Amino acid sequence: GESVGLHLPTLSVQEGDNSIINCAYSNSASDYFIWYKQESGKGPQFIIDIRSNMDKRQGQRVTVLLNKTVKHLSLQIAATQPGDSAVYFCAARSARQLTFGSGTQLTVLP
Amino acid sequence: DSGVTQTPKHLITATGQRVTLRCSPRSGDLSVYWYQQSLDQGLQFLIQYYNGEERAKGNILERFSAQQFPDLHSELNLSSLELGDSALYFCASSVESGNYGYTFGSGTRLTVV
Repeated sequence: GESVGLHLPTLSVQEGDNSIINCAYSNSASDYFIWYKQESGKGPQFIIDIRSNMDKRQGQRVTVLLNKTVKHLSLQIAATQPGDSAVYFCAARSARQLTFGSGTQLTVLP
Repeated sequence: DSGVTQTPKHLITATGQRVTLRCSPRSGDLSVYWYQQSLDQGLQFLIQYYNGEERAKGNILERFSAQQFPDLHSELNLSSLELGDSALYFCASSVESGNYGYTFGSGTRLTVV
């Protein structure tokens, strides 16, 4: 099976700084990865995804990096804003199932 | 509003009871997924339906069951409830089975007392 873990349960950054949230997965057969954002009282919201044949993908203010050699995934948020405060989950797909990590709580400090 | 509707938003019930959680997927989506989120834990996959048929099963207890109806809405039935079943239950939908651009609902918070 697959297990997915985030490196830090909490992360605090200053407003305007860049944030990096890291995630590790266990199954080298995982072929698709997603980052989700979950705000308090809401369901997870899709942020960005990446397939295993890529090592980098960029969105609006977000970048996902994939290192298959060490089975590591990261989410970079540029110029972090107060509205970015939330729990961030990575998820990895293998055997047609998505496995989610436990989440990193990002707090943006004024 | 994500387009995925879950009802009720909150549910408080006693141990041993049975409850039904309901999910209406986003218009056009054929797949429905159920996840459980306990305190300080990630999302645990329970079960997936695609166009009325069970497609994948995760760590779903035998006390739990689900189905997807012809109109594509889905229900998750939880029976013989225990305190440890208290959690957020999320439904997500996607267009196709295997298409993992999930859209999540806002969840049902179940409290078992």
